[in-house]
Amino acid sequence: ETGVTQTPRHLVMGMTNKKSLKCEQHLGHNAMYWYKQSAKKPLELMFVYSLEERVENNSVPSRFSPECPNSSHLFLHLHTLQPEDSALYLCASSPFFASQETQYFGPGTRLLVL
Amino acid sequence: AQKITQTQPGMFVQEKEAVTLDCTYDTSDPSYGLFWYKQPSSGEMIFLIYQGSYDQQNATEGRYSLNFQKARKSANLVISASQLGDSAMYFCAMREPLRRALTFGSGTRLQVQP
Repeated sequence: ETGVTQTPRHLVMGMTNKKSLKCEQHLGHNAMYWYKQSAKKPLELMFVYSLEERVENNSVPSRFSPECPNSSHLFLHLHTLQPEDSALYLCASSPFFASQETQYFGPGTRLLVL
Repeated sequence: AQKITQTQPGMFVQEKEAVTLDCTYDTSDPSYGLFWYKQPSSGEMIFLIYQGSYDQQNATEGRYSLNFQKARKSANLVISASQLGDSAMYFCAMREPLRRALTFGSGTRLQVQP
């Protein structure tokens, strides 16, 4: 099993839809992250969870709702999104938060909001 | 001010030659970590190499090496013997102790030509 998996890999949704992105890590890590990668912009942190507790919310609109039921799984619930939310959403995990610890990323979900 | 600066939007290199991708960073913290990631067109962020601020020697991982010049605040990635599969976006990133997330540069698109 690969380290960090994400489903679905591609998602097209209308502005009134509700969908969820799923991330699973098989590395035994304790921290998980959601990043957003828009065209022509650096990666932006959205949320950080440590031991299933949200420890950072980087001024993300409420139409994005994260959930971390356990240290291996992370969800991003989406509702009433806007076209500008179209982006690549990347999940990552790391052992903890030390500056020398590598974050390992999943393959991402390409989201298109129509 | 930009925390991570990658001044080369795109680079070309001939197969089997070496290439250097530039990265400069800005931090006042004495303890930090520097990372390079590769992102192929599939979207996944693949970890390549790590350099800690207190590491005395430049990091190496196979064909990848990091030219770390602390006084200049630069952390350039050197890829030796380029292969066609090295064609991708390359991101430099930094982790500071008080920040839980990586700060990414804008990336360099490398194209390896046969």
